Amino acid sequence: AQSVTQLDSQVPVFEEAPVELRCNYSSSVSVYLFWYVQYPNQGLQLLLKYLSGSTLVKGINGFEAEFNKSQTSFHLRKPSVHISDTAEYFCAVSGAAGGTSYGKLTFGQGTILTVHP
Amino acid sequence: NAGVMQNPRHLVRRRGQEARLRCSPMKGHSHVYWYRQLPEEGLKFMVYLQKENIIDESGMPKERFSAEFPKEGPSILRIQQVVRGDSAAYFCASSPEVERRYEQYFGPGTRLTVT
Repeated sequence: AQSVTQLDSQVPVFEEAPVELRCNYSSSVSVYLFWYVQYPNQGLQLLLKYLSGSTLVKGINGFEAEFNKSQTSFHLRKPSVHISDTAEYFCAVSGAAGGTSYGKLTFGQGTILTVHP
Repeated sequence: NAGVMQNPRHLVRRRGQEARLRCSPMKGHSHVYWYRQLPEEGLKFMVYLQKENIIDESGMPKERFSAEFPKEGPSILRIQQVVRGDSAAYFCASSPEVERRYEQYFGPGTRLTVT
């Protein structure tokens, strides 16, 4: 079984400040990791994913995340946020290819990022 | 290239009625997933389907819920005799070939309100 914990339910930040949204996961098998963004009344949009290789992954809209296997973390960062980044962010995990949980996403409870002018 | 489409976007049902939610996957995608988002919670996996087959329904409630993905037409999530606890946002996602099942594209969701 897998689980995802997003450590902050809400993160307020001022425009142009850096931000980090924290995510820890638990799994007994190899995993793929994802960050999605959800704007109000919309579906989820994939920001970035880690499958293998370099532990630092870059995504859309200037976001990046670092996979840390020893700490079972996958924190999302952006060096300078904009008002338009205000949204809810979800961390998710899937078992890696070949496993029974492959393709079945398990989501964290979400972090609401609010960017203030 | 149209994305994943879901309809209706909003659905209101009285307790005891049936709710039918539709999902058309992206063109070329033959794998469909349904997730439910309850208030104040993240998305929970419900069911994974391929054309004419249910592959994994481990997240589906045992009663009143069913899903199908026919050879022709959209995938349908059906909830019979709805109760207030069914009020939630239901999201559909689709993915391309089985080797890329992790690559899921989400629709805008159907927000079900049970009165």
